[in-house]
Amino acid sequence: DIQMTQSPSSVSASVGDRVTITCRASQDISRWLAWYQQKPGKAPKLLVFGSSSLQSGVPSRFSGSGSGTDFTLTISPLQPEDFATYYCQQANSFPHTFGQGTKVEIK
Amino acid sequence: QLLLQESGPGLVKPSETLSLTCTVSGGSISSSSYHWGWIRQPPGKGLEWIGNIFYRGNTYYNPSLKSRVTISVDTSKNQFSLKLSSVTAADTAVYYCARHYGSGSDSWGQGTLVTVSS
Repeated sequence: DIQMTQSPSSVSASVGDRVTITCRASQDISRWLAWYQQKPGKAPKLLVFGSSSLQSGVPSRFSGSGSGTDFTLTISPLQPEDFATYYCQQANSFPHTFGQGTKVEIK
Repeated sequence: QLLLQESGPGLVKPSETLSLTCTVSGGSISSSSYHWGWIRQPPGKGLEWIGNIFYRGNTYYNPSLKSRVTISVDTSKNQFSLKLSSVTAADTAVYYCARHYGSGSDSWGQGTLVTVSS
């Protein structure tokens, strides 16, 4: 199985800040990576697919980058509604493993 | 607008089989572009991919659950289902169904909490 490691596990930030979350795959997954946002009690929401393509309706302050084993999700500027937990997921091979999540908290 | 809705018992006894169904509306489950999958989330923890199915019946399971999991599809009802046998308390989780396209799951059900307890 491909292991996905996110960092940090949590980050405290203020409205207007730039937040960067990293996801590292244990082997090359090309660009088969997605990012999700999850708020308490809600289903995850797809933000980015194919490492850097923004899902329809997602604000442009979200951006994704990377290929191979190292990937990044950036949120800039951070808005009040962005405080949530973020997950990466690889879809290069089965099982489609998730990272452990990164909680973005209010500073 | 595509909608997915999970249904099934919210309480299952240990050693029994968990059974859930996902009903898809606003789109066809028989589209060749998509896989349909199950993901779960234990309370307070992260997401775990359970498995996917293609409308023709091809299945892909998480090896950690493979011996206990069966995912099936009923194209006539536009539904797909999950069965997880020999459940324990560790299987207590919110179970989500989702549509998978390319490198991401773009539509999700609201999730259903299944508790394993006697």
